Amino acid sequence: KAGVTQTPRYLIKTRGQQVTLSCSPISGHRSVSWYQQTPGQGLQFLFEYFSETQRNKGNFPGRFSGRQFSNSRSEMNVSTLELGDSALYLCASSLAQAGSSGNTIYFGEGSWLTVV
Amino acid sequence: QKEVEQDPGPLSVPEGAIVSLNCTYSNSAFQYFMWYRQYSRKGPELLMYTYSSGNKEDGRFTAQVDKSSKYISLFIRDSQPSDSATYLCAMSGRGTSGTYKYIFGTGTRLKVLA
Repeated sequence: KAGVTQTPRYLIKTRGQQVTLSCSPISGHRSVSWYQQTPGQGLQFLFEYFSETQRNKGNFPGRFSGRQFSNSRSEMNVSTLELGDSALYLCASSLAQAGSSGNTIYFGEGSWLTVV
Repeated sequence: QKEVEQDPGPLSVPEGAIVSLNCTYSNSAFQYFMWYRQYSRKGPELLMYTYSSGNKEDGRFTAQVDKSSKYISLFIRDSQPSDSATYLCAMSGRGTSGTYKYIFGTGTRLKVLA
């Protein structure tokens, strides 16, 4: 069974640009969560989508947005990139809404974003 | 007060030692407790999953939950250099606002020296 797939794995962007990251969940999983991970801050929750609806949102500015498609695949977008957005962006999937009835989340390998 | 507290380490131990990793939490509504292992430049992988209080063993790994103390532990027996990684605790359940929450500790970096 294929795991969570994230693309691209590595990318370099210039300050002020925008970026779109893609995530394909484990087959059958309907929930996708996004996290930002930096050495100083650890794992920071961005948002969760379940059945194409945003169910939870972390404390990130509106420059960070996401969506989920009918096949459960998800994308996240960061506009007007800042140097501080350099991080590992992790996507995770679960059968149903994360945390409900013990649903556990499984991570992809992440997308490494460097903003210069 | 943070919802989850985890010592960031690093924790260095000799090969073959027993390792104890711990987290404390504040929300008594959490019912599910997980441990993830993350190797450098990789995504976290689910290592252990426990429901409510008690112990769970899987090979060299034992997860322990004490809900009365709001304290969870992961023990690694006969530690190997390949166990060198960052270990993140996680827990889930209903938050104080009634929504589902799935939260992580900051992770403990473990080094097992050959």
